[in-house]
Amino acid sequence: QSALTQPASVSGSPGQSITISCTGTSSDIGDYNYVSWYQQHPNRAPKVVIFDVSNRPSGVAERFSGSKSGNTASLTISGLQAEDEADYYCSSYTRSSTVVFGGGTRLTVL
Amino acid sequence: QVTLKESGPVLVKPTETLTLTCTVSGFSLSNGRLGVSWIRQPPGKALEWLAHIFSNDVFSNDEKSYNASLERRLTISRDTSKSQVVLTMTNMDPVDTGTYYCARMITVTTEIDTWGQGTLVTVSS
Repeated sequence: QSALTQPASVSGSPGQSITISCTGTSSDIGDYNYVSWYQQHPNRAPKVVIFDVSNRPSGVAERFSGSKSGNTASLTISGLQAEDEADYYCSSYTRSSTVVFGGGTRLTVL
Repeated sequence: QVTLKESGPVLVKPTETLTLTCTVSGFSLSNGRLGVSWIRQPPGKALEWLAHIFSNDVFSNDEKSYNASLERRLTISRDTSKSQVVLTMTNMDPVDTGTYYCARMITVTTEIDTWGQGTLVTVSS
């Protein structure tokens, strides 16, 4: 099972919106609506910000949203804030009953 | 409050077997809707899912799943009475150095809703 494909880095200015893509295959993202997104600040454990493609856990800002089209999922952060600067990882359930993560995307808030 | 805490050696030698224990609180390992996963992260690199385990209420057994590329080296098990999940990884190599996390997983959706703090394991002679 190969890792899901994410851009290595994205950047945006405070107040702007950014989108991070996560591309898989018809055996994972394309086959299930079980995509999650995790935010990880340096030297911290990851934290879920989106689950089941587009659901936001309680306590996560409404600025975070998720979507999916075919084999690609996306995380959008609107109204960027300095605290959003972190690494972001997508994950998906797979047809093999396993989980696969993306390679991670570093978000820089300019 | 749901918590998970990893414990185990901080240093292992190449070819040795790593044994990590995850002690959970705030939920039951007997709950079939909740499982425990192990995920690792080499320094400066991406997360890698290793394995998970959960209770199959229908068949009264454990459901286990492994990363295909590491499956022959991994074993996951649980002790419900101790609220612990154990991961063993054989034939350790320096490339296995990293932070190892245990985490609670929602069985159906595989969302990881709670993570342990992680434990750094270094493989070196």
